[in-house]
Amino acid sequence: AQSVTQLGSHVSVSEGALVLLRCNYSSSVPPYLFWYVQYPNQGLQLLLKYTSAATLVKGINGFEAEFKKSETSFHLTKPSAHMSDAAEYFCAVRTVSSASKIIFGSGTRLSIRP
Amino acid sequence: DTGVSQDPRHKITKRGQNVTFRCDPISEHNRLYWYRQTLGQGPEFLTYFQNEAQLEKSRLLSDRFSAERPKGSFSTLEIQRTEQGDSAMYLCASSFGTGKTSGINEQFFGPGTRLTVL
Repeated sequence: AQSVTQLGSHVSVSEGALVLLRCNYSSSVPPYLFWYVQYPNQGLQLLLKYTSAATLVKGINGFEAEFKKSETSFHLTKPSAHMSDAAEYFCAVRTVSSASKIIFGSGTRLSIRP
Repeated sequence: DTGVSQDPRHKITKRGQNVTFRCDPISEHNRLYWYRQTLGQGPEFLTYFQNEAQLEKSRLLSDRFSAERPKGSFSTLEIQRTEQGDSAMYLCASSFGTGKTSGINEQFFGPGTRLTVL
């Protein structure tokens, strides 16, 4: 079975500081991995996706993530946090079944201090 | 293309009542998914349609839950005899896919319907 684990339910950084949100995955096959962002009372928006084409994946809003097979990790980073980055972030893996459903982590709430 | 839409956005009901939610996917998408998200958790898969066929259901989907996609376009999710534990955000997503595991099948999510059962 595939799964993802997000380390830290809440991360707080200062505006302009580095953002690092941690995600580890478990998969018996090469995974498709995602990061989604959810703003209050809104649906999920795809930030970026890993499909085995390149280990460093760039997404929207200046975010990027690096796939590290040896560490089974897919951490999300942004060099300089902005107040508008405050949201809930979910790491996710797509199953290999025909349904292609997505398994989400429990989420990390990112707060930005002025 | 207006994206995935869901109606209503909020629903408050009393325990024991029936509720129905609607999801309109992106028009050319043949796959439609329902997820449930409780407070402080990530979304959990409920069920999946390819065109009008419901191909997979989670064990989370009790007998009180039923989903349909009658013409392969919009979908409805009905909860009968609601319980307080049904209070959650119900998210719909759609994607386009052919074959068993073809492509990335990126899923686009709607804004969700927040259900509160009193």
